[in-house]
Amino acid sequence: GQQLNQSPQSMFIQEGEDVSMNCTSSSIFNTWLWYKQEPGEGPVLLIALYKAGELTSNGRLTAQFGITRKDSFLNISASIPSDVGIYFCAGVDYGGSQGNLIFGKGTKLSVKP
Amino acid sequence: AAGVIQSPRHLIKEKRETATLKCYPIPRHDTVYWYQQGPGQDPQFLISFYEKMQSDKGSIPDRFSAQQFSDYHSELNMSSLELGDSALYFCASSSREGSSYNEQFFGPGTRLTVL
Repeated sequence: GQQLNQSPQSMFIQEGEDVSMNCTSSSIFNTWLWYKQEPGEGPVLLIALYKAGELTSNGRLTAQFGITRKDSFLNISASIPSDVGIYFCAGVDYGGSQGNLIFGKGTKLSVKP
Repeated sequence: AAGVIQSPRHLIKEKRETATLKCYPIPRHDTVYWYQQGPGQDPQFLISFYEKMQSDKGSIPDRFSAQQFSDYHSELNMSSLELGDSALYFCASSSREGSSYNEQFFGPGTRLTVL
């Protein structure tokens, strides 16, 4: 089945630093989504990308949909302690009629105050 | 804004018992998805429903079944529970209306522990 390769697996950064993570796939996706998950909670949708080449921002977060439709990246600028969590990329699988999500393995972000 | 509601939040069962998890989607959302997330893993798609009909099936064991009711809430029924079923179970909902139809919003999850 389809798989997403998400990197890095984990990041330890200082408060105020910028962060970048990305996802790649061997298959084309028509939609990329980025989620943040905190321990014991459900994933929270951060950004949705629908068009190849699209660059979308949500506050300090910026994400881009790769031109080939096989990759996406997420940047976080000026990180703060509450950015701590696991960030997942997800591609929409149109093999099913409603488009279930295929998730990357996640990037665990730790921020040192 | 109203979010996806899941109940119960925590559930402890013995092996071979049954469990029922409930999901109440965001109002006016017509599609419900169920995902299973093991410790340290990413969520894995189980099954989805659109307008009360099963829409897509993922890695859902035959021991599990689910349905969506007329009020759009959904229930995941799990029988003959095994130790390996211990996981977080998430429900997500979306709406086919508008351009954001692929955006799935997740509930807080049900943590199932099988002893």
